[in-house]
Amino acid sequence: EVQVLESGGKLVQPGGSLRLSCAASGFTFNSSVMAWVRQAPGKGLEWVSGISESGGSTYYADSVKGRFTIARDNSKNTVYLQMDSLRAEDTAVYYCANLRLGRGSDYWGQGTLVTVSS
Amino acid sequence: DIHLTQSPSFLSASVGDRVTITCRASRDLDSYLAWYQQKPGKAPHLLIYTASTLRSGVPSRFSGSGSGTEFTLTISNLQPEDFATYYCQQLNNYPPYTFGQGTKLEI
Repeated sequence: EVQVLESGGKLVQPGGSLRLSCAASGFTFNSSVMAWVRQAPGKGLEWVSGISESGGSTYYADSVKGRFTIARDNSKNTVYLQMDSLRAEDTAVYYCANLRLGRGSDYWGQGTLVTVSS
Repeated sequence: DIHLTQSPSFLSASVGDRVTITCRASRDLDSYLAWYQQKPGKAPHLLIYTASTLRSGVPSRFSGSGSGTEFTLTISNLQPEDFATYYCQQLNNYPPYTFGQGTKLEI
């Protein structure tokens, strides 16, 4: 059974930092591109970041470039999202998902809520 | 970045109806477009990829078509569980794999 489980979301002040984790099982994690997608309250989906199978290539949306860092540990089947210099507009549910290039994401976590507010 | 525009943004329909949602891209995507369904408080669920390939387990009342810059998602014989928000996602130009703004399908 495929499981994707995000954790680490919480209330943080503007300018603060947070690290999200995503633990996956039930599929070949080390052969999977992984991605983070977020959804602000009442809004649509926004692709945030992606990482190649080995972790050697990383990609970011312009809205988070220079502030967020994606990484993975294939020995732990886990992908991370380090979020620095957080802003109110980063408030969202953050989803972790696999990414089949050209085909989309068929495995998603339940999401973790990040709230940036003073 | 490639921009996706879905229409309509809101759609009212009844059980048993047939509905169509359109997704237009700012650049040629070939056939690299996916459709997702999302219900409140839940993660998106992949329905269709490469424009018209139905994901295993997805009911056959869902179908997709199109290529290039114009794509459609059609739901035939709407069922109560189909009332949700639908998103298209371009998968031709990475990164980013942008999403459309969503179409909320309401009863």
